[in-house]
Amino acid sequence: EAGVVQSPRYKIIEKKQPVAFWCNPISGHNTLYWYLQNLGQGPELLIRYENEEAVDDSQLPKDRFSAERLKGVDSTLKIQPAELGDSAVYLCASSPSGLNTEAFFGQGTRLTVV
Amino acid sequence: RKEVEQDPGPFNVPEGATVAFNCTYSNSASQSFFWYRQDCRKEPKLLMSVYSSGNEDGRFTAQLNRASQYISLLIRDSKLSDSATYLCVVTSPGGSYIPTFGRGTSLIVHP
Repeated sequence: EAGVVQSPRYKIIEKKQPVAFWCNPISGHNTLYWYLQNLGQGPELLIRYENEEAVDDSQLPKDRFSAERLKGVDSTLKIQPAELGDSAVYLCASSPSGLNTEAFFGQGTRLTVV
Repeated sequence: RKEVEQDPGPFNVPEGATVAFNCTYSNSASQSFFWYRQDCRKEPKLLMSVYSSGNEDGRFTAQLNRASQYISLLIRDSKLSDSATYLCVVTSPGGSYIPTFGRGTSLIVHP
């Protein structure tokens, strides 16, 4: 069974440019998460979807970040414009709905803003 | 105060040693607890869930202390391959159940 797939794996952009990340969760997983991970830190939640509905986006900087999961499957995360401080690893995870369920992570997109 | 706190380490131990990590959480209503493992430049992967009665998986033992609001991970007979970062994860209610990660504890097992 295929895991969570993210692309691209690496992205280098100049500040003020836009960037987008894509995530394909595990088939049948209703819950999708976007996390941000800085070096030496744990993942921090940006947004969580239940199917196509964003149920927790309180940590998403809405002035420059946006996300969508139009058909309740794939998701994209966009930053426009990117800032130097956005350099980090962006992780997508998915899980079946429910409390005690494991979250499966993709390999992440490593973003460098120069 | 952060919701989930861990000592970042690193814990530097010889092969065969026993090492323990603790993690504290602030929300007394937290429901689910996990330990994830993350290798360098890789994604986090579930190591084990933590149950109220404690649970063991081979050389790994996880325990939960709800009264003191901490969970622990014990690794016996450490292997070189155990070198990684161990992330404590707590899921708390409040409208939706969000897995919240600690910053991770780095373990280095040396020959």
